Amino acid sequence: SQELEQSPQSLIVQEGKNLTINCTSSKTLYGLYWYKQKYGEGLIFLMMLQKGGEEKSHEKITAKLDEKKQQSSLHITASQPSHAGIYLCGADFAPRINTGKLIFGQGTTLQVKP
Amino acid sequence: DTEVTQTPKHLVMGMTNKKSLKCEQHMGHRAMYWYKQKAKKPPELMFVYSYEKLSINESVPSRFSPECPNSSLLNLHLHALQPEDSALYLCASSMGTDSNQPQHFGDGTRLSIL
Repeated sequence: SQELEQSPQSLIVQEGKNLTINCTSSKTLYGLYWYKQKYGEGLIFLMMLQKGGEEKSHEKITAKLDEKKQQSSLHITASQPSHAGIYLCGADFAPRINTGKLIFGQGTTLQVKP
Repeated sequence: DTEVTQTPKHLVMGMTNKKSLKCEQHMGHRAMYWYKQKAKKPPELMFVYSYEKLSINESVPSRFSPECPNSSLLNLHLHALQPEDSALYLCASSMGTDSNQPQHFGDGTRLSIL
């Protein structure tokens, strides 16, 4: 079973529109990470969330972790073609033993139409 | 530009060949990782090195042999690979393995097994 569920799986938006990607787990999320990947390239680190209710922003991207630490959302405001790519959430489900093992969601593919 | 450098970017090899993938970082990170990513799938962890010692092997077949010569370098030695091993191999590094240390990824090596 997939420990991290991302929705939607894919998204096509018109340039300038806002969008939200969700990442949900049945277990408590510790060290929730958001990454962006362009096809065939490496993952670019976007943001890390650790505390329930935490919210972080960078440029036009905002990420939140809910109070129960079981769901995170990534919101892009006024999308641009440069935002296109695959967005992946990753989480550490065993933080007390510090394994560094990240489990990733299946990814959300975003296309932004000019 | 990524601060984790992987070489080569592309590699084509036969099933009887021996080759190595290389990864280098100069951020002073003490944890390094190998991931395998198949098309349209998220990265899957293969190995974790912490302070130059192998701490996690995710039941990876012995035809993949990791090596960490020093804290800046990580190699993946390949021998007698199978066609299903064709994938994007990603290296990552982080300050440590605790959950508040984001992993930074290289651009990957695209491996094709003939």
